[in-house]
Amino acid sequence: GAGVSQSPSNKVTEKGKDVELRCDPISGHTALYWYRQRLGQGLEFLIYFQGNSAPDKSGLPSDRFSAERTGESVSTLTIQRTQQEDSAVYLCASSESYEQYFGPGTRLTVT
Amino acid sequence: QKEVEQNSGPLSVPEGAIASLNCTYSDRGSQSFFWYRQYSGKSPELIMFIYSNGDKEDGRFTAQLNKASQYVSLLIRDSQPSDSATYLCAVRGSNTGKLIFGQGTTLQVKP
Repeated sequence: GAGVSQSPSNKVTEKGKDVELRCDPISGHTALYWYRQRLGQGLEFLIYFQGNSAPDKSGLPSDRFSAERTGESVSTLTIQRTQQEDSAVYLCASSESYEQYFGPGTRLTVT
Repeated sequence: QKEVEQNSGPLSVPEGAIASLNCTYSDRGSQSFFWYRQYSGKSPELIMFIYSNGDKEDGRFTAQLNKASQYVSLLIRDSQPSDSATYLCAVRGSNTGKLIFGQGTTLQVKP
C-alpha cells in the first residue's frame, strides 16, 4: 500500500519568505508527527497530532512555526519569515500504534 | 543533560563481528524504546521496539532494556557491510505519544 508522502521533496527559498510543507499520512493512521533533522543531527520533535485531540506543539521552536491537520488526513507545516537556521530536512511520520512510518522528507534550503 | 544520549561514533567493526550500540535516557517514566536505522540521505526505518526489561531478539538484532539503569542497547550479530548506517535510539515518555530521539550512532562495518 501507499506509504507516507511529502511534498515538495526539495524547497529552496529566500530568507524572509513563508513556506508550506505537506504531509499525506498512511490511510487510517490516527497519529501524525513532524520532525526536523539538521545535517548530521538526530531528529528534533516539532509537533504531534493524535486523532481529534489538541496537538502537542511543545517542540515548535518559535511562533514562526505552525502546523495544521485536517481530520485524520493531510497535514501542512508552515514556516513564516524563514531564516537560514531553518534549513534542514523536515520529516513527517504517521502511526496507528507503536511504529512510526516516515515519509521521504522535504529538504528546505533558505538562502 | 540531553533527554536521550548516544555516542555519535563512528563505531567501526569488522564484518562478522558483534556491534553494540548504546543509549541512555533521562525520563525515568519512559514507557517504550525504539531503535531506528537511517541510511545516508534516507528516512529512518524501525528495526525494533522494546518496553519490558530484559532482551528481545529478532533475527540478528537484540534489543536490551534496563529501566533501573535507564539504559537501552542494540546488538547486531554477524555484522554486514549493509548494516553500515546511523542508528537512532528513540524513547516514548509517560502519558505522551511523542518520541524523543538521540542524535544517533554511526556504524561502519568493514569488509
